[in-house]
Amino acid sequence: QQQVKQSPQSLIVQKGGISIINCAYENTAFDYFPWYQQFPGKGPALLIAIRPDVSEKKEGRFTISFNKSAKQFSLHIMDSQPGDSATYFCAASDSGGYNKLIFGAGTRLAVHP
Amino acid sequence: SAVISQKPSRDICQRGTSLTIQCQVDSQVTMMFWYRQQPGQSLTLIATANQGSEATYESGFVIDKFPISRPNLTFSTLTVSNMSPEDSSIYLCSDYGADGYTFGSGTRLTVV
Repeated sequence: QQQVKQSPQSLIVQKGGISIINCAYENTAFDYFPWYQQFPGKGPALLIAIRPDVSEKKEGRFTISFNKSAKQFSLHIMDSQPGDSATYFCAASDSGGYNKLIFGAGTRLAVHP
Repeated sequence: SAVISQKPSRDICQRGTSLTIQCQVDSQVTMMFWYRQQPGQSLTLIATANQGSEATYESGFVIDKFPISRPNLTFSTLTVSNMSPEDSSIYLCSDYGADGYTFGSGTRLTVV
C-alpha cells in the first residue's frame, strides 16, 4: 500500500521559473518529511526537511510548504536552474516506528535553459 | 552528516549466484536500512538492520533471499541470494543519524 503519493511524475520548467512538486500522505503518525534530490548514478541526497510543528521552511531557493490538516506537503524550487534537473523524491517517516522512511514515486524535473 | 561508503558500485552476476554488498559508515549509528531501487523507480525499503538484533524485513522481502548482517555500529552487509534477472536493480544502504537519513551511492546490480 503506497503511503506517500507524489505528483507530477515529470515536470519541465524554463530557467528562472518555479518548480512545484506535491506530496500527500495517509499515515497521521508520520512526523518527519524530507525531500531528496537524486542525480543519475548517485544515491539520494537530502535537500530539505520539515516537521509538523511548522507550516513552511525555506533554505535558499528551496521551500517546503506543509499542510497538516490536508496531509499534504510540497516542494517549491524558486529561480529553477538547469543544474536542478534531477529526480526529486518526497518521503515520510514515523519516529515511533523504527524510523522507516517511506518514499513517494519521484518526480523527474527538467529545467530548460 | 555521516558519510556512507558502499561497495561494489556495480556488478554483473550470473543467475543462481549470490552477491554481498558492503556498507560502511564513518560514525557509529544505531539504525541502518537497505533499499532497492528498480530502474526509473522509487526506493523500496527491504529491511531495517539494528546492531545486535535480527533485521526486520518489509512485506515481500525474506531473510533467505536477502540475508543481512550488522556486526557493529558502523558496518552492514546485504546479500542477494540465488539471483535472477528480476533482481537487477540498484541497492542502497542508509543510516539514520542526527542529520537525518544519509544514503550511499548504491550498488548497480545486473543479473544475466
